[in-house]
Amino acid sequence: DSGVTQTPKHLITATGQRVTLRCSPRSGDLSVYWYQQSLDQGLQFLIQYYNGEERAKGNILERFSAQQFPDLHSELNLSSLELGDSALYFCASSPNPLIRAGTQYFGPGTRLTVL
Amino acid sequence: GQSLEQPSEVTAVEGAIVQINCTYQTSGFYGLSWYQQHDGGAPTFLSYNGLDGLEETGRFSSFLSRSDSYGYLLLQELQMKDSASYFCAVRDLDAGNMLTFGGGTRLMVKP
Repeated sequence: DSGVTQTPKHLITATGQRVTLRCSPRSGDLSVYWYQQSLDQGLQFLIQYYNGEERAKGNILERFSAQQFPDLHSELNLSSLELGDSALYFCASSPNPLIRAGTQYFGPGTRLTVL
Repeated sequence: GQSLEQPSEVTAVEGAIVQINCTYQTSGFYGLSWYQQHDGGAPTFLSYNGLDGLEETGRFSSFLSRSDSYGYLLLQELQMKDSASYFCAVRDLDAGNMLTFGGGTRLMVKP
């Protein structure tokens, strides 16, 4: 158990819909990262937040957005869903990113299925 | 941008030693990490190399040569449970401190 929690575990929805994925980082970790992993694909970085502020952005679609709240939990919002958005979405957290920079702790993921 | 190359698949037998290589291209390199992911599971951190040389953690070791933009993960005394995907990842200071992952190497351990 990494200490990172994600809800829900599974999500099935229809095209055109909007969903929200939630992540709670490990206690004390200030950074939250979101990744997308499609079938047999690597991990695609979407976005990073550090202590409530956006820190880095990857190939995140305009239909996707995220935020980190004062209690440090984060939400990833996916809208106008398409079949191709079906994937595993992982959240990861890390402490001060300047320390042990390569260490991220991943949550169990949310499996999104768009029908 | 950043790019990482690692073999897509490796097969080895139980008890053997296997090496998974990773070559990378980044502009602001700040360390190479390795993650393990079992099918349907979450990636879990294995090791990190910020400086050249070998890092050892039990049966797993990781090596980095910054001059060659190259690293490897060495798994010894392979066990069936080591069958998983292994990802190398680099942190690039010029890319906003994010981690960029390689495509992953699927390791199959056979009896």
